[in-house]
Amino acid sequence: ILNVEQSPQSLHVQEGDSTNFTCSFPSSNFYALHWYRWETAKSPEALFVMTLNGDEKKKGRISATLNTKEGYSYLYIKGSQPEDSATYLCALNTGGFKTIFGAGTRLFVKA
Amino acid sequence: DAGVTQSPTHLIKTRGQQVTLRCSPKSGHDTVSWYQQALGQGPQFIFQYYEEEERQRGNFPDRFSGHQFPNYSSELNVNALLLGDSALYLCASSLGQGVVRNQPQHFGDGTRLSIL
Repeated sequence: ILNVEQSPQSLHVQEGDSTNFTCSFPSSNFYALHWYRWETAKSPEALFVMTLNGDEKKKGRISATLNTKEGYSYLYIKGSQPEDSATYLCALNTGGFKTIFGAGTRLFVKA
Repeated sequence: DAGVTQSPTHLIKTRGQQVTLRCSPKSGHDTVSWYQQALGQGPQFIFQYYEEEERQRGNFPDRFSGHQFPNYSSELNVNALLLGDSALYLCASSLGQGVVRNQPQHFGDGTRLSIL
């Protein structure tokens, strides 16, 4: 059974802090990695799709890196704002049509 | 541009009953995936439909079945409901032309199913 692990489970930061969290996956089963942001009472929203080792993606204050050889991806948020409060999910595709999600990192940004 | 819509929003059933959840994909999308999200867990893949066929299935029993219609909308059916089926059920759509693996999925708001 393939497992996608996310850490930490939750994170409390102050407005203006920069933060990062981790997604770990089996490096031998990699095809693509997806990051989603899921705000309360909304639907998950796609942030990034990453496919190549060393990939770096950026969207505003949010960026992500990918290391397929060691099986991890980092998501960074620079200068956190209260509107960044959400659950951040990573999801692994291993080449089939199935996507395996981690349990998410719940981010709370206090004003 | 209509996004993914799911109905109903909430549903309460009792053990042993059957339920049908519905999903309309984002305009232009032809592939629908269903996920179950239990409390404290990430979404778990149930199955994916493309061209009205189930083309991959996750680790769920046969009590979970689905259907895709010619207009690409989809239904998830669960028979003989158990207490453990209580969860948020998410539908996601994408373009399925063999490259769905590295395309982001578009999710609906989900159906919250409670089993009493």
